[in-house]
Amino acid sequence: QVQLVQSGSELKKPGASVKVSCKASGYTFTTYAMNWVRQAPGQGLEWMGWINTKTGNPTYARGFTGRFVFSLDTSVSTAYLQISSLKAEDTGVYYCARYHAGNSWSDYWGQGTLVTVSS
Amino acid sequence: QSALTQPPSASGSPGQSVTISCTGTSSDVGGYNYVSWYQQHPGKAPKLMIYEVTKRPSGVPDRFSGSKSGNTASLTVSGLQAEDEADYYCSSYAGSNMGVFGGGTKLTVL
Repeated sequence: QVQLVQSGSELKKPGASVKVSCKASGYTFTTYAMNWVRQAPGQGLEWMGWINTKTGNPTYARGFTGRFVFSLDTSVSTAYLQISSLKAEDTGVYYCARYHAGNSWSDYWGQGTLVTVSS
Repeated sequence: QSALTQPPSASGSPGQSVTISCTGTSSDVGGYNYVSWYQQHPGKAPKLMIYEVTKRPSGVPDRFSGSKSGNTASLTVSGLQAEDEADYYCSSYAGSNMGVFGGGTKLTVL
């Protein structure tokens, strides 16, 4: 069965960096893209972007350029989200999701990773 | 890309039907048949309910249906059940390999 398992919660200070992992199983990793979605506390879903798992080419939404980096290690079927120069407003739950890039929908989701940025 | 517009809340009694709207522009909802809907219970990951406007993934009850007219997409939940109480988000392809979500609608089963 398809599963996306994300790394655990993180507590970071402002200015630090964090790397969230998303390990896929139950399907061929490079067949589908990976989408990243943020949910700030008590807020809605924000579409952050996606990464082509065949080519490694990332696409970032406005507001998620510069400090946000999507990457892959296809040898272990894992996608990564790295956020640098963390700010308090980066606090939230980050989800990875298996993404049908041509038609823009996500069918399987990770359990989410809570990133808290606080001094 | 700006967020799609959804009503903050919707409600209905068990057995009734409720429809949630999702309004965008001709650059997203109106321009493509790539609208999807997600259900999210508190503390849980979103779950895909509808994709490509009207299609239901395997395992999603046929009480859930989707439609679109112009720049507005809709999710209808028929025969409301207590477990349908959740937040619902629409999403659309927005061109240039981008996507966008709606602000979310809290569905209450009275």
